[in-house]
Amino acid sequence: GDSVTQMEGPVTLSEEAFLTINCTYTATGYPSLFWYVQYPGEGLQLLLKATKADDKGSNKGFEATYRKETTSFHLEKGSVQVSDSAVYFCARGTSGGSNYKLTFGKGTLLTVNP
Amino acid sequence: DTEVTQTPKHLVMGMTNKKSLKCEQHMGHRAMYWYKQKAKKPPELMFVYSYEKLSINESVPSRFSPECPNSSLLNLHLHALQPEDSALYLCASSRGQNAYEQYFGPGTRLTVT
Repeated sequence: GDSVTQMEGPVTLSEEAFLTINCTYTATGYPSLFWYVQYPGEGLQLLLKATKADDKGSNKGFEATYRKETTSFHLEKGSVQVSDSAVYFCARGTSGGSNYKLTFGKGTLLTVNP
Repeated sequence: DTEVTQTPKHLVMGMTNKKSLKCEQHMGHRAMYWYKQKAKKPPELMFVYSYEKLSINESVPSRFSPECPNSSLLNLHLHALQPEDSALYLCASSRGQNAYEQYFGPGTRLTVT
């Protein structure tokens, strides 16, 4: 079935370090891909999305490119801040129509130290 | 306005109580969702409503009863819950059910004693 695999972490970085969180998905159909972020004690916030191959989603300095050839959607940021500390979830859409839903990866806890 | 609101923020209930969780959005979205999230886990889908009709029920026990009174409101009625039902309950909405991004509310932290 449809699935998403992401590095589970935890990931600990110093401020201004480069961030990569890997995400791969099963190659069923042509899914939309998403990154969500969850700050402590809050709900999920959509960080960025891509709906077709080679699309690049970007927001708040974060980027991810939809790579069909490697079935990947890795999240990157050039210089992290303490305020980026959160759990990051990669997600893909499943089949369409009335059965459409999101499948989430297990989440990656990021801690950024000053 | 991309806000989904949920009430209450916290809820403590006994195993014999009946309570309801409420969710509201005013973005004109026609799909609404209930998720359950345990600590350090991703959200698990419970129910999907599309155009106010139940579209997906992920084999959720009948002690959870969803209701969609109109396109802006989504309720989750709780009855005879178990301690293992303690979790963060998240509501989300999207423009439609198919392929659109979902917007999440802040959640209700439920504790069953």
